[in-house]
Amino acid sequence: NAGVTQTPKFQVLKTGQSMTLQCAQDMNHNSMYWYRQDPGMGLRLIYYSASEGTTDKGEVPNGYNVSRLNKREFSLRLESAAPSQTSVYFCASNGGTASTDTQYFGPGTRLTVL
Amino acid sequence: GDSVTQMEGPVTLSEEAFLTINCTYTATGYPSLFWYVQYPGEGLQLLLKATKADDKGSNKGFEATYRKETTSFHLEKGSVQVSDSAVYFCARGRGGGNKLTFGTGTQLKVEL
Repeated sequence: NAGVTQTPKFQVLKTGQSMTLQCAQDMNHNSMYWYRQDPGMGLRLIYYSASEGTTDKGEVPNGYNVSRLNKREFSLRLESAAPSQTSVYFCASNGGTASTDTQYFGPGTRLTVL
Repeated sequence: GDSVTQMEGPVTLSEEAFLTINCTYTATGYPSLFWYVQYPGEGLQLLLKATKADDKGSNKGFEATYRKETTSFHLEKGSVQVSDSAVYFCARGRGGGNKLTFGTGTQLKVEL
């Protein structure tokens, strides 16, 4: 099992450009998440999907959109990138429905917006 | 709302020293508590967890005890190694569902 995979690993964008971050998991998990990690701020939830076909906003959704394409894949789109979106982005998945369950993380995408 | 507070880093220790990283959480409900670890260039992975008061989570020589009376979940290890150098995140479950709230992370550096 590859676990949670993310592409690309690194990306540099210019202000106003768009891009989609891809995430896939092969653990048959129902729930998937997108986080951003910034120095001194820990991980903040951008969007999550409790199951295929559903998505909900997290703490910092502005400037982002998501698509739960199928049970395996959950993509994050930046329609018009801004320097404030420079961050490391992590995708995660979770096989359970309770807060006791473990989240599994991908290796991250390091995004720089100039 | 739900929040987690961790001690700021970086924490620098010599190999074989004792480690404590403090973590406290807001006392809304009875959340599950977690420690995740992030090694350089990697994503987070679960280190240990505890799901109710007085539970002790342990893994790889690390321990943390769920203290409801002090709303704390401090991470400890008796003898750290250079390979323990990483960023450690404390997290709590949120009310309803399987989302987590993370602390800001504590960087640990272990030197020979």
